[in-house]
Amino acid sequence: KAGVTQTPRYLIKTRGQQVTLSCSPISGHRSVSWYQQTPGQGLQFLFEYFSETQRNKGNFPGRFSGRQFSNSRSEMNVSTLELGDSALYLCASSLSGLLEQYFGPGTRLTVT
Amino acid sequence: DQQVKQNSPSLSVQEGRISILNCDYTNSMFDYFLWYKKYPAEGPTFLISISSIKDKNEDGRFTVFLNKSAKHLSLHIVPSQPGDSAVYFCAALNQAGTALIFGKGTTLSVSS
Repeated sequence: KAGVTQTPRYLIKTRGQQVTLSCSPISGHRSVSWYQQTPGQGLQFLFEYFSETQRNKGNFPGRFSGRQFSNSRSEMNVSTLELGDSALYLCASSLSGLLEQYFGPGTRLTVT
Repeated sequence: DQQVKQNSPSLSVQEGRISILNCDYTNSMFDYFLWYKKYPAEGPTFLISISSIKDKNEDGRFTVFLNKSAKHLSLHIVPSQPGDSAVYFCAALNQAGTALIFGKGTTLSVSS
């Protein structure tokens, strides 16, 4: 069974731009969650999507948004990038919730 | 305010000895606790979990202990192996299952 895949793996953007990251979950998994990892804050929960609906949301500004498609693939969008958005963005999938999640390798975003 | 704390950023252990990774939490309403392991350039991998109604869970070389009165949990790895060298994250799931909160991680180095 293929694991969680994320594209692209690395990205460099300029402050003020917007970016879209993609995540393909494990086949059959309907829950997709996004996390931001930074050295100072560790892993922080962004949001969870289940059956194309945002089910849970962490404490991030509205510049961070996401969506999920009917095939469970998910995208995360960050608008008006700030230097502090430089981080590793991780996607995780599971059958139904936040337990037993399988993580992808992440997308390393650098904002200059 | 950090609800899940891993106060030791790093730990060094010799091969064959016990590794003890610690985690403290502030919210007594957490329902599940999980440990993840992360290698560089990979996403976190689920290791072991424990329900708040238990005080111990064991899986091979890995044992997690939960002390609810002290709001403290620990992960024991016995015996430690060089391949265990990684960043270990403690995480807590709230009762509603709507948020998974991670600690900032402890880097374990096992020397041969």
